[in-house]
Amino acid sequence: SAVISQKPSRDICQRGTSLTIQCQVDSQVTMMFWYRQQPGQSLTLIATANQGSEATYESGFVIDKFPISRPNLTFSTLTVSNMSPEDSSIYLCSVRTAEQFFGPGTRLTVL
Amino acid sequence: AQSVTQLGSHVSVSEGALVLLRCNYSSSVPPYLFWYVQYPNQGLQLLLKYTSAATLVKGINGFEAEFKKSETSFHLTKPSAHMSDAAEYFCAVTGYNNNDMRFGAGTRLTVKP
Repeated sequence: SAVISQKPSRDICQRGTSLTIQCQVDSQVTMMFWYRQQPGQSLTLIATANQGSEATYESGFVIDKFPISRPNLTFSTLTVSNMSPEDSSIYLCSVRTAEQFFGPGTRLTVL
Repeated sequence: AQSVTQLGSHVSVSEGALVLLRCNYSSSVPPYLFWYVQYPNQGLQLLLKYTSAATLVKGINGFEAEFKKSETSFHLTKPSAHMSDAAEYFCAVTGYNNNDMRFGAGTRLTVKP
């Protein structure tokens, strides 16, 4: 299994600012993913962040808006840049070992 | 690429009644299929998964799902709904050799007393 923690758990930010979300895993994992869950909606994959390679972004998501770091096998960050109210969502970190595990999420509100 | 479609964004049942949440998949390779539950203001919890072993999969909280290749379906059922089952349910899929998990739109289950 894998236990995932995220920081911050929630934040309220002003339009135009940036927020960096941290994801820490209690074991070394190769495959890490970032998802977004907009209010009342399902989870959408933002990008895959495997250690040792550049993050791979899904259609509709770009590196300038959502830069990702993956410095080692237990940690990753997702930055939401130049935020607008449309970025208000829950952002979830996820890892794949024998199963897929999800972090508790970061609830972001942009005013 | 694989995907899942959940039929019905909202299902309402009476307490004690059968729960049926529908999920159909589209995949060019044998899929792995999952059902997750999300309670209000909580994270995702895995209910059950199909990984090409038994086609009838039993999960937690009395839920089960049956993989039907002929119907490309993986519907979630529970014989008798409980008030505590009220939540959002997500069907998800990964390919046999793909890494990323794709989610359906979700079905909100309401249980009436």
